Amino acid sequence: GIQVEQSPPDLILQEGANSTLRCNFSDSVNNLQWFHQNPWGQLINLFYIPSGTKQNGRLSATTVATERYSLLYISSSQTTDSGVYFCAVEPDFGNEKLTFGTGTRLTIIP
Amino acid sequence: DTGVSQNPRHKITKRGQNVTFRCDPISEHNRLYWYRQTLGQGPEFLTYFQNEAQLEKSRLLSDRFSAERPKGSFSTLEIQRTEQGDSAMYLCASSLIGRTGDEKLFFGSGTQLSVL
Repeated sequence: GIQVEQSPPDLILQEGANSTLRCNFSDSVNNLQWFHQNPWGQLINLFYIPSGTKQNGRLSATTVATERYSLLYISSSQTTDSGVYFCAVEPDFGNEKLTFGTGTRLTIIP
Repeated sequence: DTGVSQNPRHKITKRGQNVTFRCDPISEHNRLYWYRQTLGQGPEFLTYFQNEAQLEKSRLLSDRFSAERPKGSFSTLEIQRTEQGDSAMYLCASSLIGRTGDEKLFFGSGTQLSVL
């Protein structure tokens, strides 16, 4: 099946810092989404972004489908940004549905 | 939009017992997914429905797992003869598949299963 690798696995930052999270995937995809899982376990959909660039407030994401990677940018981090960020992809072919990476755990220190 | 609702939030059971979880999707959504998440891992796809049709179930972990969505609205996931390895968070998600094929998943809060 499709492989999804996220980096870094862990990231600790001071409040106000910026960060870039990366997602690499092994096959062409027709669906890519970024999620934030907060400390209470709730998964929140941040972006549907199989290609191109989108922005939502302090967050933005870019997917370069031809090179099989996506980036999530978080600017001016706040403590509420803490949690695990997952990238999930669905390959163009086959019967696999959205497959998640192992995530990046982000901790924002006040 | 009240979001995806899952019940119960927590379930503790003894090995060998059967358990059933319920998911109520966002009302206008036509697709419903079940995922399982264990500690330190990303969610793992189990099965999904489009309306009442179960379109993929080969990823269900064993024949002890089954899911239904009888009227294309709420869904249930049943685990028979539970084992300690079934302990995990069971997540439900729903989506509205559009004409362009764009699909964004919205997750519920999950049911945390502990098998003693």
